[in-house]
Amino acid sequence: DGGITQSPKYLFRKEGQNVTLSCEQNLNHDAMYWYRQDPGQGLRLIYYSQIVNDFQKGDIAEGYSVSREKKESFPLTVTSAQKNPTAFYLCASKGSQNTGELFFGEGSRLTVL
Amino acid sequence: GQSLEQPSEVTAVEGAIVQINCTYQTSGFYGLSWYQQHDGGAPTFLSYNALDGLEETGRFSSFLSRSDSYGYLLLQELQMKDSASYFCAGHMNTGFQKLVFGTGTRLLVSP
Repeated sequence: DGGITQSPKYLFRKEGQNVTLSCEQNLNHDAMYWYRQDPGQGLRLIYYSQIVNDFQKGDIAEGYSVSREKKESFPLTVTSAQKNPTAFYLCASKGSQNTGELFFGEGSRLTVL
Repeated sequence: GQSLEQPSEVTAVEGAIVQINCTYQTSGFYGLSWYQQHDGGAPTFLSYNALDGLEETGRFSSFLSRSDSYGYLLLQELQMKDSASYFCAGHMNTGFQKLVFGTGTRLLVSP
């Protein structure tokens, strides 16, 4: 079945460590996104990518990095420079049709110990 | 700036009708989407307004007025399973399909 797969679902990290969250899609979508969600809050855009080898900073990119070497994959690295990384991270993709629909993965919950 | 404001919480009973408002302050904005998210889950798409007016999808309807910088989601015949958080998302005309999400509204449906 087509969809977006995020891994790991749960991740624990010690302070000072970098971690990479995986996001893979088989929907043949060009656009991909990473959002961060804190408890009881909305989704904030970290990075987005329109095509392979191109990506743009969102509203809260500091302390994060991404790559887009393949159309299917858009991994997010949470670096040690991110001051408050504990959050729920959501990856999404969007097709070219003007339906307005983002397809989301099931999310990765990162906890810094 | 780009911000979309929603009420933090709305309560209703089964079978009722509820309206969740979304007001925004932004420029270069061309559409509004709505998403549902159950606790711990992924947001799922509900509707999209590319034009002003009402869009109806089953029990859910969504409305947009760009001149008033305002939209709403209308849920009819409420069911317990509709208890969730609802987010509006503005589609920004940045030459790319950038979406900015609202603050979210938690809907509690009681028997």
